[in-house]
Amino acid sequence: TQLLEQSPQFLSIQEGENLTVYCNSSSVFSSLQWYRQEPGEGPVLLVTVVTGGEVKKLKRLTFQFGDARKDSSLHITAAQPGDTGLYLCAGAQTGANNLFFGTGTRLTVIP
Amino acid sequence: EPEVTQTPSHQVTQMGQEVILRCVPISNHLYFYWYRQILGQKVEFLVSFYNNEISEKSEIFDDQFSVERPDGSNFTLKIRSTKLEDSAMYFCASSPSWVTGELFFGEGSRLTVL
Repeated sequence: TQLLEQSPQFLSIQEGENLTVYCNSSSVFSSLQWYRQEPGEGPVLLVTVVTGGEVKKLKRLTFQFGDARKDSSLHITAAQPGDTGLYLCAGAQTGANNLFFGTGTRLTVIP
Repeated sequence: EPEVTQTPSHQVTQMGQEVILRCVPISNHLYFYWYRQILGQKVEFLVSFYNNEISEKSEIFDDQFSVERPDGSNFTLKIRSTKLEDSAMYFCASSPSWVTGELFFGEGSRLTVL
C-alpha cells in the first residue's frame, strides 16, 4: 500500500486567511488528483496534475506537483466559508488501475 | 450533467447476511471502481473493473466480496456474509480512461452491520 500523508490533518481558519495543505509520499506517482468531499457525499475531483513541477490554478486554489512527483500542495487564497470540507489527495501509478488516497485534511473556514 | 448513481443510500443488515450494493456508472465510462470509507478514516481502494473483469483488487477485497456488471449498465458489489467491520460508506466510481486516473464518484451507500 502506497502511503500518502497529508498535513495538517485539521485546519480551522478565519475567513479571508490563506492556507496551504501538503500531500507527501515516498513513492512516485504518474499523476496526482485533489478531491474535495462534503459530509455524506462522494469525493469530487478538483484538479489533476501530471508533470513534475506543474502548477494549476482554479480560481483561488493553486495546486502544485513536486518536481520528483512524490508530493503536492494545495494553496487557498482568501478562504471562504464555502471552502469548508475534507480535502483529499490521491495518486495514480503507472500500470496500476487504482488510486491511493491520502489521509485527508479537514478544513473549517469560520465566517 | 452525467453522474454516478448508487443504491441504496443506506442499508442496515445483520451480521452474516448478504448485501448487494448497486451502482450505475456514467454511460460512456469504461473503468469502474469500488472504494470504502470507514467513519473518520481514509478512502480505501477495494477493486477496479475493466472489460468485464477485475483489473486489480486490494487486500480488503477477500473471498467475501465480489463484483459484477450483469447487464451493461449496473455495477454491483456483493458482500456474502457481512461482518461488523464491514460497516462503512461504500463509494462507486467510474472513469472514461486510465490515462490520468480521474474518477467520478457516486454519493455512496452507507452500510451498517449490526
